[in-house]
Amino acid sequence: EVQLVESGGGLVQPGRSLKLSCLASGFTFSNYGMNWIRQAPGKGLEWVASISSSSSYIYYADTVKGRFTISRDNAKNTLYLQMTSLRSEDTALYYCARHRVSHWGQGVMVTVSS
Amino acid sequence: DVVMTQTPPSLSVAIGQSVSISCKSSQSLVHSDGKTYLNWLLQNPGQSPKRLIYQVSNLGSGVPDRFSGTGSEKDFTLKISRVEAEDLGVYHCVQATHVPHTFGAGTKLELK
Repeated sequence: EVQLVESGGGLVQPGRSLKLSCLASGFTFSNYGMNWIRQAPGKGLEWVASISSSSSYIYYADTVKGRFTISRDNAKNTLYLQMTSLRSEDTALYYCARHRVSHWGQGVMVTVSS
Repeated sequence: DVVMTQTPPSLSVAIGQSVSISCKSSQSLVHSDGKTYLNWLLQNPGQSPKRLIYQVSNLGSGVPDRFSGTGSEKDFTLKISRVEAEDLGVYHCVQATHVPHTFGAGTKLELK
């Protein structure tokens, strides 16, 4: 069974940094591209970033480009999202999702507030 | 970016009723590999999204056949036959053909 478990969320002040992790199991992680997707409270879903299976291709939403970095460690079956210069509008539930958004984790909450 | 226009924004249904949700894209969703990466997701209250339908019409694992997806190119429909209580929540369409992946605004299915 595919499982994706996010961690690393919390309350952070504007301008600070936070790093999210997503531990994958139940499939060969190194064979799949991965995504981060977020959902602000009461809002819809917004794609944040994607990374290919070997990290050769990386894409970001314009809203996070230059501030967020997606990466992965295939030896550890783990996806990461390094978030810097956080803003209040980054407050959201962050999900990791497998290639073509086929499987989703349970999400981790990030709250940016002073 | 591909714009996904999903309608209606909400539906009020009785158990056992059938409903349809529409999703239209601003560009063709046919990938260069010939496949069309249009998924339907269900987000039950307080839960993460779960994939119901992938590549327009394929049922996800464990998804009952009350759900069906149709469409092509830019025009897609999700149909739920004989709605059950467990079907209530928000339905999202998402295109995974183009980057960035983009989502419809969602359709909230509520009990009448």
